[in-house]
Amino acid sequence: DSGVTQTPKHLITATGQRVTLRCSPRSGDLSVYWYQQSLDQGLQFLIQYYNGEERAKGNILERFSAQQFPDLHSELNLSSLELGDSALYFCASSVEAGPDYGYTFGSGTRLTVV
Amino acid sequence: LAKTTQPISMDSYEGQEVNITCSHNNIATNDYITWYQQFPSQGPRFIIQGYKTKVTNEVASLFIPADRKSSTLSLPRVSLSDTAVYYCLPKNTGFQKLVFGTGTRLLVSP
Repeated sequence: DSGVTQTPKHLITATGQRVTLRCSPRSGDLSVYWYQQSLDQGLQFLIQYYNGEERAKGNILERFSAQQFPDLHSELNLSSLELGDSALYFCASSVEAGPDYGYTFGSGTRLTVV
Repeated sequence: LAKTTQPISMDSYEGQEVNITCSHNNIATNDYITWYQQFPSQGPRFIIQGYKTKVTNEVASLFIPADRKSSTLSLPRVSLSDTAVYYCLPKNTGFQKLVFGTGTRLLVSP
């Protein structure tokens, strides 16, 4: 158990639907990152939040949005889903600064759009 | 962010030492080099991080020459369970998104 919790582990939904993926960061970590990994593709950075505020944005589609709540958990909302959105979605968290020994990833949510 | 280049794949046998080299010619002065391991359908796992010379932990060693234009991850006596994708990434000491390349797919055979 890495300390980063992602729910649900698996999600199957139809095209056009909306889903919410949830991430609870490791205790003490203020920053949350979301990544998408499609079949046979690398990890694509989507978005980063730090202590509730958006810090950096990657190639995140307009149909996708995210937020980080006061308790530091984060949610990734995917809407108007398309078949191509089927992927593994990972959340990672990190400490703020100082001696940093890496980012901790969750076990991911596997989204299947049918 | 510095661009990194790694071999796409490597093959090895159980018990051998595996060295994976990553080149990062334009690494910034305040960048560290971090390595992650990813098993299929799992999130990447931090392995090791270094700035210069040699760093060793219970899992691996990391060699970074004085010019810091490359780094080598060394896995001693690999086992079948070391079969995974290994990513080399530059990272500075502040917050930043990690940009993953294609990584090196290591296959360990009996």
